Amino acid sequence: ETGVTQTPRHLVMGMTNKKSLKCEQHLGHNAMYWYKQSAKKPLELMFVYNFKEQTENNSVPSRFSPECPNSSHLFLHLHTLQPEDSALYLCASSQRGGSGNYEQYFGPGTRLTVT
Amino acid sequence: AQSVTQPDIHITVSEGASLELRCNYSYGATPYLFWYVQSPGQGLQLLLKYFSGDTLVQGIKGFEAEFKRSQSSFNLRKPSVHWSDAAEYFCAVGAGGSYIPTFGRGTSLIVHP
Repeated sequence: ETGVTQTPRHLVMGMTNKKSLKCEQHLGHNAMYWYKQSAKKPLELMFVYNFKEQTENNSVPSRFSPECPNSSHLFLHLHTLQPEDSALYLCASSQRGGSGNYEQYFGPGTRLTVT
Repeated sequence: AQSVTQPDIHITVSEGASLELRCNYSYGATPYLFWYVQSPGQGLQLLLKYFSGDTLVQGIKGFEAEFKRSQSSFNLRKPSVHWSDAAEYFCAVGAGGSYIPTFGRGTSLIVHP
């Protein structure tokens, strides 16, 4: 595997279900991100992890719970979601520090549908 | 804080025509600038980036962008568009104090045969 991978690619869940999204980066980066992309809306930054520590939480509802066990893996645990949470969830990674070449590399996303 | 504006929500071009997508940013110092492309149902792919040096930047898939400090712009260009270029294009700006870029709302490129 190369780059940033995300599983599953598609997920349909009921409002009472619990599921998790997984992201893995194979680039040796030290920062990882979750974004939400809804139709007709700008890209929304949800969470940022830097060296496994959460550094950003952009007022995301508690029904979204991130986990970063190491610098290569990032999870987004989902529970009691609402229909408006249906969206494409994108994971990204970057290398913070050094020369500042911190362009982000994105995974293919998980298309989530909440019924 | 930095901000970025993509004035065009949609752009329609004919295959083989030239393309220019606009991006304007707001930041007090020299920013880091990026262009990404997103095909339907896919993640964002980095096309090119500008950090310093030559203001004309070459990217993948035949794209280039020019940083113009006086106009606070970083427009994306391609001399001849292919049908496979139809996608959503995002401009992003990063500031020296933050490693988290700010994305524009995107421009949807439609290519007519």
